[in-house]
Amino acid sequence: AQSVTQPDIHITVSEGASLELRCNYSYGATPYLFWYVQSPGQGLQLLLKYFSGDTLVQGIKGFEAEFKRSQSSFNLRKPSVHWSDAAEYFCASYTGRRALTFGSGTRLQVQP
Amino acid sequence: SAVISQKPSRDICQRGTSLTIQCQVDSQVTMMFWYRQQPGQSLTLIATANQGSEATYESGFVIDKFPISRPNLTFSTLTVSNMSPEDSSIYLCSVTGARNTEAFFGQGTRLTVV
Repeated sequence: AQSVTQPDIHITVSEGASLELRCNYSYGATPYLFWYVQSPGQGLQLLLKYFSGDTLVQGIKGFEAEFKRSQSSFNLRKPSVHWSDAAEYFCASYTGRRALTFGSGTRLQVQP
Repeated sequence: SAVISQKPSRDICQRGTSLTIQCQVDSQVTMMFWYRQQPGQSLTLIATANQGSEATYESGFVIDKFPISRPNLTFSTLTVSNMSPEDSSIYLCSVTGARNTEAFFGQGTRLTVV
């Protein structure tokens, strides 16, 4: 079965530091991959998505992600984290019926 | 893009009662989905709401507990029946965009069962 794994449950970084959140997928064909962010008490916001083509994807809020087929990974990065980036981040992929399979999430804490 | 309105945004309910959550989309969509997010957990797909036919439920979810209606291409309801404290979760409605390139989510319904 298709699955998405986020190995890091909780990450703490200092404001201004770089960030990388890990995501691994298990899927035979080329997956459709997404990163969503959920701020406390808020809904889900799409940061970026990958379907095909350029493996480095740019998203909103200065985020980017790189698709690496050889590593089955789709890691999210940001060069300089802001305090407002503190939130829960979910990696997800489409199932065959266009529903999403979500990873377990990574909670990001930003220290001043 | 699609704009999804979900009601109620939150509710506190007594155990044994039922709550119906409404999901309204601003455009016609083929596929609508209902997810559950238990406290501190990720999102789990409950079912796919199909227009004109019964919903398709995921393993672990049954129609008697989570009946779903889909009377047209812009509206769906999810009922949480005979609630217990374990049903306390955020329930989210989602649709797939017209080109199937993105999923849109409602703001969710935060349910607390006491």
